[in-house]
Amino acid sequence: DAGVTQSPTHLIKTRGQHVTLRCSPISGHKSVSWYQQVLGQGPQFIFQYYEKEERGRGNFPDRFSARQFPNYSSELNVNALLLGDSALYLCASSLDGTANEKLFFGSGTQLSVL
Amino acid sequence: SQKIEQNSEALNIQEGKTATLTCNYTNYSPAYLQWYRQDPGRGPVFLLLIRENEKEKRKERLKVTFDTTLKQSLFHITASQPADSATYLCALLVSGGYNKLIFGAGTRLAVHP
Repeated sequence: DAGVTQSPTHLIKTRGQHVTLRCSPISGHKSVSWYQQVLGQGPQFIFQYYEKEERGRGNFPDRFSARQFPNYSSELNVNALLLGDSALYLCASSLDGTANEKLFFGSGTQLSVL
Repeated sequence: SQKIEQNSEALNIQEGKTATLTCNYTNYSPAYLQWYRQDPGRGPVFLLLIRENEKEKRKERLKVTFDTTLKQSLFHITASQPADSATYLCALLVSGGYNKLIFGAGTRLAVHP
């Protein structure tokens, strides 16, 4: 069975541009979460979606947005990129997104903002 | 302020020994605590989950303890192997109805032959 897949694996953008990152969860998983991981730090929660509805949002500016599609895949959008947005963006899926579930992470998208 | 602290320095141990990693937290009341393994360039991989009312959890060579009074979790790998070399992340889940994990910065473990 395929795990969580993310695309692209690497991306280089310049300041002010917009980026869209994509995630396909494990088959049967209805919840998708997004995390940002800056080098040397742990992942930081951005969003969680379940059944196309936003269930939770972390402390990120409105430049960050996301959505979940009927097939449970998800997109993360970041507008007006800043140098500080350079990071590994991780997508994680789980069955229902409830509190006691483990997360299955993809390998991430490495975003570099120049 | 709320903090999760893991040893920032790498832990170097000899093959066959027990590795013990520490996770301390302040100003949180987590319902669950999880441990993940992360290899370079990869996403975290789930290892163990322990609930606030559990003291200890085991899985093969792995053991986790959770002391809500000390606000500390210990993660043990017995009979360590070079293949155990990775960064280990602890993550708290604070009750809120959904699955938002708060991660520590991780501890890098290096097991030498």
